[in-house]
Amino acid sequence: KNEVEQSPQNLTAQEGEFITINCSYSVGISALHWLQQHPGGGIVSLFMLSSGKKKHGRLIATINIQEKHSSLHITASHPRDSAVYICAVRFSNTDKLIFGTGTRLQVFP
Amino acid sequence: DTAVSQTPKYLVTQMGNDKSIKCEQNLGHDTMYWYKQDSKKFLKIMFSYNNKELIINETVPNRFSPKSPDKAHLNLHINSLELGDSAVYFCASSQGGRGGNQPQHFGDGTRLSIL
Repeated sequence: KNEVEQSPQNLTAQEGEFITINCSYSVGISALHWLQQHPGGGIVSLFMLSSGKKKHGRLIATINIQEKHSSLHITASHPRDSAVYICAVRFSNTDKLIFGTGTRLQVFP
Repeated sequence: DTAVSQTPKYLVTQMGNDKSIKCEQNLGHDTMYWYKQDSKKFLKIMFSYNNKELIINETVPNRFSPKSPDKAHLNLHINSLELGDSAVYFCASSQGGRGGNQPQHFGDGTRLSIL
């Protein structure tokens, strides 16, 4: 069964802290996406990866294909990072994205 | 310039009505999608079109009918609206073939509320 699980569901942090959000999936994939949904509702694609690691500014995404696991890290977190972070996976046996339930991050000053 | 634009942003209507949501992308992408985000904020694919051809059609009621007049537009028509249709509907687009293997660009969403 094609499943995507994220943890934690909710996360609070103080400004400057290092943040890690996790995503696990059940079977083989062809791509994994990390998305950010702002409090206003808009969705932005942060990363798409199928292996290794990608970095953009203070954001780093890694994926371990053998362990079927990906992490999204935020270094030096800032209140403007407060959002819902969503992992979405394209399983090898389907054309569509399956979404995790999201991780709500709040960063306090 | 907005890359993926949806209209309207908000739609409040009564049960039983028929309504449409429009989506346009100016990114030159050839694949477009409709997603539904429910009250628990869970996103789920509804439809996907590649070059005007329907490639993903999830199990949604046949009251929902997508229409793609060209590869830059994907509209969603909903007949006989029901209370359970209340949600935020997101349009997205990506470049290349079937969905999931390219980054997707999302519209701002259409919040549909059924009275």
